[in-house]
This record gives sequence, C-alpha cells and structure tokens, in this order.
Amino acid sequence: EVQLVESGGGLVQPGGSLRLSCAASGFTFSSYAMHWVRQAPGKGLEYVSAITSNGVSTYYANSVKGRFTISRDNSKNTLYLQMGSLRAEDMAVYYCARGNFDIFTGYYYWGQGTLVTVSS
Amino acid sequence: EIVLTQSPDFQSVTPKEKVTITCRASQSIGSNLHWYQQKPDQSPKLLIKYASQSISGVPSRFSGSGSGTDFTLTINSLEAEDAAAYYCHQSSSLPFTFGPGTQVDIK
Repeated sequence: EVQLVESGGGLVQPGGSLRLSCAASGFTFSSYAMHWVRQAPGKGLEYVSAITSNGVSTYYANSVKGRFTISRDNSKNTLYLQMGSLRAEDMAVYYCARGNFDIFTGYYYWGQGTLVTVSS
Repeated sequence: EIVLTQSPDFQSVTPKEKVTITCRASQSIGSNLHWYQQKPDQSPKLLIKYASQSISGVPSRFSGSGSGTDFTLTINSLEAEDAAAYYCHQSSSLPFTFGPGTQVDIK
C-alpha cells in the first residue's frame, strides 16, 4: 500500500525557515517524480514544487521560487521541502503527492498534510 | 503561467441530479487536465486523469471530457457522498496550476 506521511510543520515567525519531510513507503520511491502542493486555510489547492525521480531537475511555483528548495533522499525514501523567508501567505497545509514516473501527471497519491503556521 | 478557471463556483444539487463542472485553460493544454475531489478535512482524491481517463476505484458516475482549452467533469446521478469541492489541474506546462475549485452541496 502506498503511503506518504508528511512531518515538520509548525509555528514559525515571518522571515523564518522550516523543513518539511515526506516519508514514502509501499512503492519504489526512486522511480517516481514527487510533488508538493499546499492549501491555505479555507482556500483552494496551489502547486508548490516538483522534483524528478533522480533529483536532478526541480521546478517551483513563481510564488516560492528563490525561497523554497525541494530535494529528495532516495536511500531514505524521503522527500523534503526547505522553506525560507516565510511570509504570512505561506501559511497552509502542505501535501506531498505522487503521480506517475515523470512530473507531467495527475497525482494519484497524497499524504495527509502538515500544517505550517506563519505568525509572530 | 496557465490560468485555469472553473464554473460554477458553487452548486447546490438534489440527489440523483446530474452535475456538470467546467474548467477552461488560458491556453491549449491538450489532454493534460486532471480532476480531483476533496471532502472536508481530507486530502484530495484523483477522479479523472488526462481529461477523460477513469481511475480504478472511482465510481462510474464520474466522467470527464474535453481537450485543448475546455473541459468538463460530469457527475451522473449525484449521491449524498459526492458533496465536496472539485478541482481541475493542468500538468501540461510548468508551473503546474489548479483551478479555484467548485463546491458541490446537497440540497
């Protein structure tokens, strides 16, 4: 059974940093591109970032480019999102998601999400 | 960036009624359009991939159509459990984007 479990969310001050993790199991992690999607309280879904299966290529939404870094450790079956210069508008539930082998797919599997709160 | 618009924003529907949600892209995306259902306090669930391809385990009352810039999600014979928000998502061009969502409530 495919499982994606996010962690690392919490309260952070504006301008601060946070690293999210997504532990994957039930599939060959190193074969799949992975994604981060977020959802602000009471709002819709927003694509954040994607990374290819080998970690060589990364992609970002314009709203987070230069502030967030996606990475993965295929030996640990874990996806990461390093978030910096956090703003109030970054406050959201962050989901990791898996599609098909490449990045140009729908997202078949989602984690339960981890909440990031940005407040002083 | 490709912008996706959805209509309607909100729909209140009687059980067994047919529901149609549209998604329009600001430029052609071929068939690279996917539909999700999200119920309160749950993660999104993939309903339809690549505009019209069904997903294993998803009830057959959900179907999708369209290509290019205009897409439709149809729910035939709505059931009470279908009350949810529905989102379209394009994976044609980076950065990927989602539509703003359509809330479907049961009368």
